[in-house]
Amino acid sequence: EVQLLQSGAEVKKPGESLKISCKGSGYSFTTYWIGWVRQMPGKGLEWMGIIYPGDSDTRYSPSFQGQVTISADTSITTAYLQWSSLKASDTAMYYCARRVPARDHFDYWGQGTLVTVSS
Amino acid sequence: QSALTQPASVSGSPGQSISISCTGTSSDVGGYNYVSWYQQHPGKAPKLMIYDVNNRPSGVSDRFSGSKSGNTASLTISGLRAEDEADYYCSSYTISATCVFGGGTKLTVL
Repeated sequence: EVQLLQSGAEVKKPGESLKISCKGSGYSFTTYWIGWVRQMPGKGLEWMGIIYPGDSDTRYSPSFQGQVTISADTSITTAYLQWSSLKASDTAMYYCARRVPARDHFDYWGQGTLVTVSS
Repeated sequence: QSALTQPASVSGSPGQSISISCTGTSSDVGGYNYVSWYQQHPGKAPKLMIYDVNNRPSGVSDRFSGSKSGNTASLTISGLRAEDEADYYCSSYTISATCVFGGGTKLTVL
C-alpha cells in the first residue's frame, strides 16, 4: 500500500528555521517525483515544487524559488521541505504528494503538516 | 505563472449534472493534455479525481468526467450526490515544466 506519512504540526517564531518531512512507503521511492503543495488558511492549493529522488532533480514554482528548499534522502525514503527564516505568511498546511512519472498529476497525498508561525 | 481561473462556486440539486470550468492559456491548459482535477473535503487532503484531461483513477465513480477545448478544461459531475459537496481544483502542466493549480471551486449540493 502506497503511503506518504508527514511529520507533525509545528509552531515557530518568525526568523526561525524549519524542516518538515514526508516519508514514502509501499512503492519505489526513487522512481516517482514527490511534490509539495501549500494551502494557506481558507485558501486554495498552490504548487510549490517537486523533486525526483532518483537523481535529486528539483523544480520550483517561480513563486517559491529561493523561499524554500526541497530535498530528499533515498536511504530513508523521505522528502523534505525547509525554510531558513520563517515569516508569519508561511503559516499554512503543507501537503506532500507523489507525482506519476512522465505525467503531471499527484496520485497519492500525505495527510498534511500544519505550520504556524507566530511571535 | 498565474493561477488557472475557476468559478468560485457552483451548485446543483441531487441527481442533476454540473460542470466546473478551468481556464488557462496556451502555455498550460491549451498546450498540454496534462489537466487534472482534485476533490477536497474540509479538513482532508486533496483526492485525485481526473488525470490527463479525461481519465479516472481506479475507484473514482464514472459520474465524474473531464474534457478540454482550447484553453479551457471542464469537470462534469453527473447524478449529483450529497457527498460530492466539496472544493474542486484543476491543475495543469506548464511550459516552464512546473504545474499550476486553479483557484478552486466550492460545490454546494442543494
